[in-house]
Amino acid sequence: QVQLQESGPRLVKPSETLSLTCTVSGVSFRSYYWSWIRQPPGKGPEWIGYVYYTGSTNYNPSLKSRVTISLDTSKKEFSLKLNSVTAADTAMFYCVKGGGLDAFDIWGQGTMVTVSS
Amino acid sequence: DIQMTQSPSSLSASVGDRVTITCRAGQSVSTWLAWYQQKPGKAPKLLIYKASSLESGVPSRFSGSGSGTEFTLTISSLQPDDFATYYCQQYNSYSTFGQGTRLEIK
Repeated sequence: QVQLQESGPRLVKPSETLSLTCTVSGVSFRSYYWSWIRQPPGKGPEWIGYVYYTGSTNYNPSLKSRVTISLDTSKKEFSLKLNSVTAADTAMFYCVKGGGLDAFDIWGQGTMVTVSS
Repeated sequence: DIQMTQSPSSLSASVGDRVTITCRAGQSVSTWLAWYQQKPGKAPKLLIYKASSLESGVPSRFSGSGSGTEFTLTISSLQPDDFATYYCQQYNSYSTFGQGTRLEIK
C-alpha cells in the first residue's frame, strides 16, 4: 500500500523558512514525479512544484523565487523549503505522487502550517 | 498561468439525480485534465485523469469528457457519499486547479 507522510514544524515565524519532509512507503521513487501542493483554509489547492526521481525540478512560477524541492532516494524522502514566509503562506501542505504529465494520484494526509509570530 | 474556471460554484441536488459540473480552461490543455473529490478535513481524491479515464477503484457513475478548453464531470446517479467539493486541474502547462464546486444535499 502506497503511503506518503508529511512531517515538519506546524508553526513558522514570518520571514523565516518553512521546511517539510515527505516520507514515502510502498512504492519505488523510480519513474515518478513527486509534488508539493498547498491549500489555504477555505480555498482550492495550489501546486507548488515537483521533483522527478532523477532530481530535476519544476516550480510554480508564482513561487519559484522562494521554493526548493529536493529528494533523498536512500531515505525515500523528498523535501520542501519555502523561504521568506508571510501569513499568506498559512495553509495545509500535502505531499503528493504525481506531476508533469501525471495526475496527482496518491496524497499524504496533509499537515497544517501556520505562519505567525 | 492557465486559469481554470468551474461552474457552478455550488450545487444542490438529491440522491439519484444526474449532475454535471463544467470546467473551462483559459487556453487549450488538450486532454491533460483531471477531476478530484474532496471531503472536509481530507485530502483530495483523484477520480478522473486524462479528461475521461476513470481512476482505479472509482465507481463507474463518475465520468469525464471534453478536450481543449471545455470539460465536464458527470455523476450519473448521486449517492450519499458523493456530497463533497469537486476540483478540476490542468497539467498541460505547470498545474492549476479550478476554484471548486460544492455539491450539497437538497
